Amino acid sequence: KNEVEQSPQNLTAQEGEFITINCSYSVGISALHWLQQHPGGGIVSLFMLSSGKKKHGRLIATINIQEKHSSLHITASHPRDSAVYICAVILSGSARQLTFGSGTQLTVLP
Amino acid sequence: DTAVSQTPKYLVTQMGNDKSIKCEQNLGHDTMYWYKQDSKKFLKIMFSYNNKELIINETVPNRFSPKSPDKAHLNLHINSLELGDSAVYFCASSQRGENIQYFGAGTRLSVL
Repeated sequence: KNEVEQSPQNLTAQEGEFITINCSYSVGISALHWLQQHPGGGIVSLFMLSSGKKKHGRLIATINIQEKHSSLHITASHPRDSAVYICAVILSGSARQLTFGSGTQLTVLP
Repeated sequence: DTAVSQTPKYLVTQMGNDKSIKCEQNLGHDTMYWYKQDSKKFLKIMFSYNNKELIINETVPNRFSPKSPDKAHLNLHINSLELGDSAVYFCASSQRGENIQYFGAGTRLSVL
């Protein structure tokens, strides 16, 4: 079983819909990342969280340390949000190496 | 200026060859990483390296070796390439005290 589980694996939404992607982890962590991988393959770090909530534009990321769970929300989704969203954690004591979830393929239809 | 740059972007080679992928970061970061993304798009750490410590994921074959000529570069050397080495390899960097990592654009390696 992977230490980081994401759901759903695939998500198709209509433009304008509110989207939630979930991430659960089973180990102690020092931080959690949400990454975006575009169809062209490049990876961009969206958020790094160790507690609470962060917001950037239409993106919101939350983390509940006690429940070992994080969510990524996209408000007013747009076709350009179509990408793979990857949850990754830094395990406690792991020298900042990332352990990844399997990713969520998001497709937003116009 | 690209913060983390990898070359080449694409690499096609025969089984048994030795190849290198270069990575350079101009962010002044002290730690660099190599990740492998397999055909199912799953990412996995291969190495992390700063000027004092190399940490190797125990699942990485010893045909893979990172070489760091200086703080801004971490190159990946692969000996005796195998079909299963075909993947996209990503380089990344970060700074001590910060957990955010900056990724290169990836190198797609195809072993024929």
